[in-house]
Amino acid sequence: DAMVIQNPRYQVTQFGKPVTLSCSQTLNHNVMYWYQQKSSQAPKLLFHYYDKDFNNEADTPDNFQSRRPNTSFCFLDIRSPGLGDAAMYLCATSRQGYSPLHFGNGTRLTVT
Amino acid sequence: AQSVTQLDSQVPVFEEAPVELRCNYSSSVSVYLFWYVQYPNQGLQLLLKYLSGSTLVESINGFEAEFNKSQTSFHLRKPSVHISDTAEYFCAVSATSGGYNKLIFGAGTRLAVHP
Repeated sequence: DAMVIQNPRYQVTQFGKPVTLSCSQTLNHNVMYWYQQKSSQAPKLLFHYYDKDFNNEADTPDNFQSRRPNTSFCFLDIRSPGLGDAAMYLCATSRQGYSPLHFGNGTRLTVT
Repeated sequence: AQSVTQLDSQVPVFEEAPVELRCNYSSSVSVYLFWYVQYPNQGLQLLLKYLSGSTLVESINGFEAEFNKSQTSFHLRKPSVHISDTAEYFCAVSATSGGYNKLIFGAGTRLAVHP
């Protein structure tokens, strides 16, 4: 089945220690998104890639970076995680236009 | 700018009872609306969408939503809920930007179905 896969499902990192979350897709969608979802809150868009073009939301902290080496993979790098960065991180993909987003199951990040 | 308001943070209901989850949106341009469902520790799954055409849209598991332009609403309904419908439901509006689908989500409604 075509899908969006996030690894790992659960990630524990230490305060200030860089961490990378990964996302892969078999849908061949040209748009990939990263959302942050804190407990009992709506998902919040951090940034997205339209093909190779990176688009950062205005209020996304500089601590968050992303890489998309090819169509299938996208990474979220948190350079110096703080306690406030503990959240569920959701990767999603879509075709261009107003196609629905397809979400992975998320990575739950804990910062100790 | 587009925005979404989900009027109820929690909705408790008994099994086999009807339910309505309310969603109002704000948009100055053409509207594309979505409902997503999220089960614990999982990602979001598309439940149904309104892009154009008939204002009543249905999902495969008995949910339906009606786009009401005059009331700027997109409420989600189900005539008879099941225990397995217990989940978080998010309404979302598409923000027009560069030809791709940037979703703005509401704060979510937690549906709790009791036996």
